[in-house]
Amino acid sequence: DIQMTQSPASLSAAVGDRVNITCRASQTISSFLNWYHQKLGKAPRLLIHGASSLQSGVPLRFSGSGSGTDFTLTISSLQPEDFGTYYCQQTYTTPRTFGQGTTVDIK
Amino acid sequence: DVQLVQSGAEVKKPGESLKISCEASGYSFTEHWIGWVRQKPGKALEWMGMIYPDDSDTRYSPSLEGQVTMSADKAITTAYLQWSNLKASDTAMYFCARVIAAGGAFDVWGHGTMVTVSS
Repeated sequence: DIQMTQSPASLSAAVGDRVNITCRASQTISSFLNWYHQKLGKAPRLLIHGASSLQSGVPLRFSGSGSGTDFTLTISSLQPEDFGTYYCQQTYTTPRTFGQGTTVDIK
Repeated sequence: DVQLVQSGAEVKKPGESLKISCEASGYSFTEHWIGWVRQKPGKALEWMGMIYPDDSDTRYSPSLEGQVTMSADKAITTAYLQWSNLKASDTAMYFCARVIAAGGAFDVWGHGTMVTVSS
């Protein structure tokens, strides 16, 4: 199985801050990398697919970059509604593994 | 609107069987894989597998193969996840989600079905 490792595991940031979350795959996955946001008790929401394609309806402050094994999700200006947990997922091969999550709380 | 509506919460005893459902609407059910994702309390998302409703081609996570069965009924645009012998360790929230054709991400999610297994 491909292992997905996210860092940091958690972070606190102020409204307006720029936030970066990284995801590393244990082997190359080309650009088959997706990012999701989950609030407590809710279903995840797709933010970014194909490493850098913004899902329809997702605010422009979210962006994704990377290819191969190293990927980054950037929130350019953190908003109060952005708290929660962020997950990366590889869809290069099955099983389509998720990272362990990065929890973002608002200072 | 594209929607996935899941069946309600379940409380079962170890050893019992269970089948939960995920009803799709607003798109062509047979043209997208449907995946299942497990989330144990306080833990990360875990990919369980997926099914292609048109021909019921199924891919399971190796860690779960033999523990669950995925199926789909094209006539009523519904996917299912079932267990024949529940364990306490199956206690979790289960999400179904639609797979987008390009790249394989989950673009539409059900609200989740909470399954509690306790004696």
